[in-house]
Amino acid sequence: GAGVSQSPSNKVTEKGKDVELRCDPISGHTALYWYRQSLGQGLEFLIYFQGNSAPDKSGLPSDRFSAERTGGSVSTLTIQRTQQEDSAVYLCASSFEGLRQNNEQFFGPGTRLTVL
Amino acid sequence: KQEVTQIPAALSVPEGENLVLNCSFTDSAIYNLQWFRQDPGKGLTSLLLIQSSQREQTSGRLNASLDKSSGRSTLYIAASQPGDSATYLCAVEGAAGNKLTFGGGTRVLVKP
Repeated sequence: GAGVSQSPSNKVTEKGKDVELRCDPISGHTALYWYRQSLGQGLEFLIYFQGNSAPDKSGLPSDRFSAERTGGSVSTLTIQRTQQEDSAVYLCASSFEGLRQNNEQFFGPGTRLTVL
Repeated sequence: KQEVTQIPAALSVPEGENLVLNCSFTDSAIYNLQWFRQDPGKGLTSLLLIQSSQREQTSGRLNASLDKSSGRSTLYIAASQPGDSATYLCAVEGAAGNKLTFGGGTRVLVKP
């Protein structure tokens, strides 16, 4: 079956522009996560969606970052007024999330964002 | 706040040797621990998930142990091959929320 897919795979933008990154989770997975991987900070949690519950936005670094998940499936991460420090690989993951102990997360290939 | 550490940061071994990768975490209140593999320019591939109540998990040449009370996990890769060259990351899902906290990774090179 299909895994988690992300688009675009690469995005180059100019400082100050807005960007949208897309994630298609594994079919049937109820939980969706966004993480960011940068050279200086390693892999960091950004935001988590579970069903119709309010998302956990505790990892978003500033109010320029937002995300939505439509129809409990596809998610879009939006970065407004991009800055050079936003340059990173943005990774999406999904999980079935039955028992917490067995909550295996599966990752997509990532979107590499470069802000010039 | 949960902190995850992986030592060493890099490891180079000749083909055929067993690999031992270490992961430590500061808060033992975890639900599970996952080991991932990441190839250059790629996403993360899940290798093993150990539930908090388990002591170890095995998959082929891979064996991961978990000692929750001491905050440690070890990933063993038997009879390493050049194809095992990659970065290995461990991550824990803690009681603080449905998110993974990652270590910095161990970059492994298996020389033919």
